[in-house]
Amino acid sequence: KQEVTQIPAALSVPEGENLVLNCSFTDSAIYNLQWFRQDPGKGLTSLLLIQSSQREQTSGRLNASLDKSSGRSTLYIAASQPGDSATYLCAVDSGGGADGLTFGKGTHLIIQP
Amino acid sequence: SAVISQKPSRDICQRGTSLTIQCQVDSQVTMMFWYRQQPGQSLTLIATANQGSEATYESGFVIDKFPISRPNLTFSTLTVSNMSPEDSSIYLCSVEGTGFTEAFFGQGTRLTVV
Repeated sequence: KQEVTQIPAALSVPEGENLVLNCSFTDSAIYNLQWFRQDPGKGLTSLLLIQSSQREQTSGRLNASLDKSSGRSTLYIAASQPGDSATYLCAVDSGGGADGLTFGKGTHLIIQP
Repeated sequence: SAVISQKPSRDICQRGTSLTIQCQVDSQVTMMFWYRQQPGQSLTLIATANQGSEATYESGFVIDKFPISRPNLTFSTLTVSNMSPEDSSIYLCSVEGTGFTEAFFGQGTRLTVV
C-alpha cells in the first residue's frame, strides 16, 4: 500500500527566504505526483503536476522535482512571500487516475512579514 | 482544466440526521472521487463515483454510511448518513481524466455535527 510522508510538518521562515518542502513515497510505481496548496478551511489548489517520466516542473517561483527511483519529490519556493502561507500537500497517483490519490499529511508553512 | 462547484460549502447538523453534498463539474469527466479530511489530518479517499454503476468504496467506508450517486458525467452526490460528531470533517469532491491527468478539487464542504 502506498504511503506518502512529508517533512517538515511545519515551517516558519522570514519573508524573502528560499525554502524546500520534502515528500517521500514508498512505492516507486507511480503515474504522477502532484503538489497542492490548501488555505485554512478551503479546498485544494493544484500547483504542479509531475508525470512519472519527468524530472521537474516549474511555475513562477515554484519548482518541483521528482526522483521516482528513490521515492522522493521536493517543492522549492523561491523568494517566499506572506501570501505563500498555507498547507502544502503532496499526492501520488499510483493507479493511473482510476484509484484516486494518496496524500501526505502536509507541511504547514508560515511566512513571517 | 475543470471547474468544480460543491454545495453546501458548510453546514452544522444534528446527530442522527443525514446531509447530501453535491458536486457539479463544468465539463464531462471520466473519474470522480470523494475524499474526507478530518480535523488536522490529510485527505483520505472515501470512494470512486462510477457513472451508471455503484460506487467503489475504500476500506473502512461503506455504502450504507456514505451512499453516492453519479447520474451522469458532470454530477455526483455524497450523502453522510446517520451522522455522529466523528463525521465532522471537510468533504471534498475531485475529478480526473477525459483529456487531463491533473486532479482538480472542489472547495469542500465543512461539516460540523453537534
